Amino acid sequence: RKEVEQDPGPFNVPEGATVAFNCTYSNSASQSFFWYRQDCRKEPKLLMSVYSSGNEDGRFTAQLNRASQYISLLIRDSKLSDSATYLCVVNTDKLIFGTGTRLQVFP
Amino acid sequence: NAGVTQTPKFQVLKTGQSMTLQCAQDMNHEYMSWYRQDPGMGLRLIHYSVGAGITDQGEVPNGYNVSRSTTEDFPLRLLSAAPSQTSVYFCASSLLLNGNYGYTFGSGTRLTVV
Repeated sequence: RKEVEQDPGPFNVPEGATVAFNCTYSNSASQSFFWYRQDCRKEPKLLMSVYSSGNEDGRFTAQLNRASQYISLLIRDSKLSDSATYLCVVNTDKLIFGTGTRLQVFP
Repeated sequence: NAGVTQTPKFQVLKTGQSMTLQCAQDMNHEYMSWYRQDPGMGLRLIHYSVGAGITDQGEVPNGYNVSRSTTEDFPLRLLSAAPSQTSVYFCASSLLLNGNYGYTFGSGTRLTVV
C-alpha cells in the first residue's frame, strides 16, 4: 500500500463548478499535512497547509480527519487557472508526496 | 532573491557517464533535498541534508551521491548513469525539516539517459 494515495483523475469540470479531491495516508504518526499545486512541466508550489480544525483560503478549503487518516481539498467557483495537478503531502519525519490528482477546468 | 536555482534545465547522458546536477539557494535554509519525479510514481526523495556537513539517504538513494559543504549548495552526483535514471529532478529547500513553512522547489532538471 502506498503511504499517500490519491485518485489520479483527471477531473474535468466547467468554470464555476465546485470540485473536491480526497487523499488517504497510511502512517497514523504523520505530523502535518499540505496540498501542493503543480502546473504542467513546472515545479510543485505550496497551496496550503491542512489543520485539524479545517482551514480556508479564499475559494480553497482543506479538511483533515485524523481518525480516518483522510485529507480533502475543496475548490469552489473553479477558474480556468485552477487547471493543474494537486499533490497531497504528508509529513512523517520527511515529506511524502502523493502522485497527484489532475484537474482540468473548461470554459 | 533568486530562491532555489537548479542547473542545467535539460541534459542528455549516455549510459555510464557521470554528471553533477547543481542546486543553490539564497534563503539561508538549513534543510535541502533532492527528489525525482516519474509518471505515476509521485516525487520520491533521493537524499537530504539538515545542514552543512550533514547528509542522509532518502527513499531511492542508489546511484546518487550528495555533499553539503556550504549552507547554500547541495549538488547531486550521478556516478554512472543508467536509463532507469531518466527522470525529472527537483531540488527543494525549507527553513525547517518538517516543512511547515513550505518547501521551495527549483524549476527542475530534465535528464534523459540513452
